[in-house]
Amino acid sequence: DAGITQSPRHKVTETGTPVTLRCHQTENHRYMYWYRQDPGHGLRLIHYSYGVKDTDKGEVSDGYSVSRSKTEDFLLTLESATSSQTSVYFCAISGWTSRGEQFFGPGTRLTVL
Amino acid sequence: AQSVTQLGSHVSVSEGALVLLRCNYSSSVPPYLFWYVQYPNQGLQLLLKYTTGATLVKGINGFEAEFKKSETSFHLTKPSAHMSDAAEYFCAVRGSNTDKLIFGTGTRLQVFP
Repeated sequence: DAGITQSPRHKVTETGTPVTLRCHQTENHRYMYWYRQDPGHGLRLIHYSYGVKDTDKGEVSDGYSVSRSKTEDFLLTLESATSSQTSVYFCAISGWTSRGEQFFGPGTRLTVL
Repeated sequence: AQSVTQLGSHVSVSEGALVLLRCNYSSSVPPYLFWYVQYPNQGLQLLLKYTTGATLVKGINGFEAEFKKSETSFHLTKPSAHMSDAAEYFCAVRGSNTDKLIFGTGTRLQVFP
């Protein structure tokens, strides 16, 4: 298995509070991605990174920000969590070639009350 | 731009029967195509991928898929279902000019004894 960990694995928080999810990789892969998974929607890309300090938006980026200060860490922040952000969040990585498949972390289940 | 359609959100088969999960894609550039499997409470695992070359692709656990450009399809098959195949399956497409994967909404496979 690709060396990808996500923390925390589960989190319950209240509306309006800030939340940060962490993705850590040991593969030295260039690309890192954050997705959310919701029933009936499959996986939707939130943000992705193509290098340290290089990030771009995905299709559902509103209400989320990201940072990547080191190759191995990619942080996803919900500045002020809302109930619509209750979801399962997955981090993925892919290598230096643009045709490489993505490898997924175990996921973080976030509940916003 | 790319998009993916998975026909049938739920598929049920008997153990030993043929598994056929349908995926159609749209892409304005040559596509790279992927099938992922997700077992309950886990991340996504790559089953197989098509990038270039042979259009019949073999993956793990006895699954295979055929890239048919004329039909814009990449259907997943397995000759004989096993109880352990019960999971959710996602088809994904990546255009050759992008770093992003676009996922279908998933097909949940049930296998009955």
